Amino acid sequence: GENVEQHPSTLSVQEGDSAVIKCTYSDSASNYFPWYKQELGKRPQLIIDIRSNVGEKKDQRIAVTLNKTAKHFSLHITETQPEDSAVYFCAATLGSSASKIIFGSGTRLSIRP
Amino acid sequence: DADVTQTPRNRITKTGKRIMLECSQTKGHDRMYWYRQDPGLGLRLIYYSFDVKDINKGEISDGYSVSRQAQAKFSLSLESAIPNQTALYFCATSDLAREDTQYFGPGTRLTVL
Repeated sequence: GENVEQHPSTLSVQEGDSAVIKCTYSDSASNYFPWYKQELGKRPQLIIDIRSNVGEKKDQRIAVTLNKTAKHFSLHITETQPEDSAVYFCAATLGSSASKIIFGSGTRLSIRP
Repeated sequence: DADVTQTPRNRITKTGKRIMLECSQTKGHDRMYWYRQDPGLGLRLIYYSFDVKDINKGEISDGYSVSRQAQAKFSLSLESAIPNQTALYFCATSDLAREDTQYFGPGTRLTVL
């Protein structure tokens, strides 16, 4: 079946450095790619998303890039801060019809002071 | 997101018991979902509903059933709970106008002894 692979599973970076999380997807019809952040004991919350008609989207310190040809997309966090510590999930729609989303297995990001 | 609520928040039960998890939303969304979260496996879709008369199985529906009692309510039942159903369960909603963005409830931590 269709799937989304996410790497790395854990990531530790020095405060102020950048962090990059990568995902690949298998369904060539996928057209929407959200990223969720889940803090310890909390619910997943959308932090940024990208649709297939654009290659990059930025929101302050967070950016997402999409390469539809290679079927991969990435989350970039610059100038990392302690509050960035969390588990991050990428996701992709099943087909172009949306509303069904497959999640990656998550990346636990730790920011070292 | 306080617009999506789940009850109970924590539940401990015994093998073989029937249990129901409830989800309510005041966002006016027509689409609702149930996921389970296990460490290292991300979020996996159990069931989803696009409206009151529409129920669909997700990737791991065996051992679960659902009921969409109203647009705002979506319940998940475990007819005969087993220990490997111990997990964190999340309800989510989305709407047709922005069908891809899912908003999660606070989660229910279920332990089956």
